[in-house]
Amino acid sequence: AQKITQTQPGMFVQEKEAVTLDCTYDTSDQSYGLFWYKQPSSGEMIFLIYQGSYDEQNATEGRYSLNFQKARKSANLVISASQLGDSAMYFCAMLHSGSARQLTFGSGTQLTVLP
Amino acid sequence: NAGVTQTPKFRVLKTGQSMTLLCAQDMNHEYMYWYRQDPGMGLRLIHYSVGEGTTAKGEVPDGYNVSRLKKQNFLLGLESAAPSQTSVYFCASIRSGTGTYEQYFGPGTRLTVT
Repeated sequence: AQKITQTQPGMFVQEKEAVTLDCTYDTSDQSYGLFWYKQPSSGEMIFLIYQGSYDEQNATEGRYSLNFQKARKSANLVISASQLGDSAMYFCAMLHSGSARQLTFGSGTQLTVLP
Repeated sequence: NAGVTQTPKFRVLKTGQSMTLLCAQDMNHEYMYWYRQDPGMGLRLIHYSVGEGTTAKGEVPDGYNVSRLKKQNFLLGLESAAPSQTSVYFCASIRSGTGTYEQYFGPGTRLTVT
């Protein structure tokens, strides 16, 4: 069975600094995908970044990058130059390798950006 | 495009009442999902559908039923609501095919069962 672990319930970062949100996963599949979603206080789920298990380079999307270490089964999210609007809950999720494409989510990390 | 919409946005039910949550998407996506989100937890999959007329159980299906009579709609039913079903419910969709991995989420339905 697939499992996602986010060990940081809450994180604080100073505005304009970088922050790393941890995510480790467990799967026996060879092919899988890893996502990060942002959930602001308004509640919607916002897609941030995706990394496929066969992608050799780490994914990047603007200020977001995914530090993918396959051997360690980790997929940490790095946010550079934090902004006040980055304060939100962040979820790591794994895409199942089956054809139905379900996601398994971690429990989330609440990030607070301090002015 | 409206994307993924959910109806209603909020609902309060009494124990034992029934209700149906509607999810609609206008992106012609084949796959649709229902998740629930409880405090301190990530989203957990209730049921999903890989096409019109098909449904399957997810991680936490007990107490829920679903139907996908039309491609664009995915209904989640609670036949006899229980306080343990108090949660925020999210619907999501994705199209089939390679290179299409992002699930598009609806805004959520906040359900309280008293």
